Amino acid sequence: DTAVSQTPKYLVTQMGNDKSIKCEQNLGHDTMYWYKQDSKKFLKIMFSYNNKELIINETVPNRFSPKSPDKAHLNLHINSLELGDSAVYFCASSYSGRSTDTQYFGPGTRLTVL
Amino acid sequence: KQEVTQIPAALSVPEGENLVLNCSFTDSAIYNLQWFRQDPGKGLTSLLLIQSSQREQTSGRLNASLDKSSGRSTLYIAASQPGDSATYLCAVPPPGAGGTSYGKLTFGQGTILTVHP
Repeated sequence: DTAVSQTPKYLVTQMGNDKSIKCEQNLGHDTMYWYKQDSKKFLKIMFSYNNKELIINETVPNRFSPKSPDKAHLNLHINSLELGDSAVYFCASSYSGRSTDTQYFGPGTRLTVL
Repeated sequence: KQEVTQIPAALSVPEGENLVLNCSFTDSAIYNLQWFRQDPGKGLTSLLLIQSSQREQTSGRLNASLDKSSGRSTLYIAASQPGDSATYLCAVPPPGAGGTSYGKLTFGQGTILTVHP
């Protein structure tokens, strides 16, 4: 049973295209996240949602638009892709937004923009 | 602004050796500190969460310590095995975040551990 799943696992696309990454968790968690891991392996929070509501938007460009249709799903749509968007994007979830909650991560989506 | 640094960036040891990974943070007003493991091509797995009121937390062969006043945490791995090979990351919530951070963790850049047979 996969706890946090993401699709696709790999995404290769041209500059200027629009793409989406999907995330689903079957843990019954209230809070979901998107992280970006750049080429230097630094992992940074992009967005967090609690009960389908946006809680954190870490100064991410407007080209990135998350959508949470329900508590189990958090999708990420990216418009007008740029070379600098190439990275690994991780989805995660936790029971609530408390700092003591364990976050469960998906396997990541490796995005390559050519 | 909180900064988290991990030393060394990479470590290669023979199987069976005990080892220590280091994590330092600039703002000591943290609520807790977490250690994660990342296997190549996979997501992160939480290993240990140590509260600010604790000094140590243990899970199997892993032991994490926390010294808030000096801004340091260590992850001790006993009797290392090739299966321990992975990248180890530490992360802290925003200073003074109290009980809720909604994932706004600051991560170190990780230590790449290789345990060879």
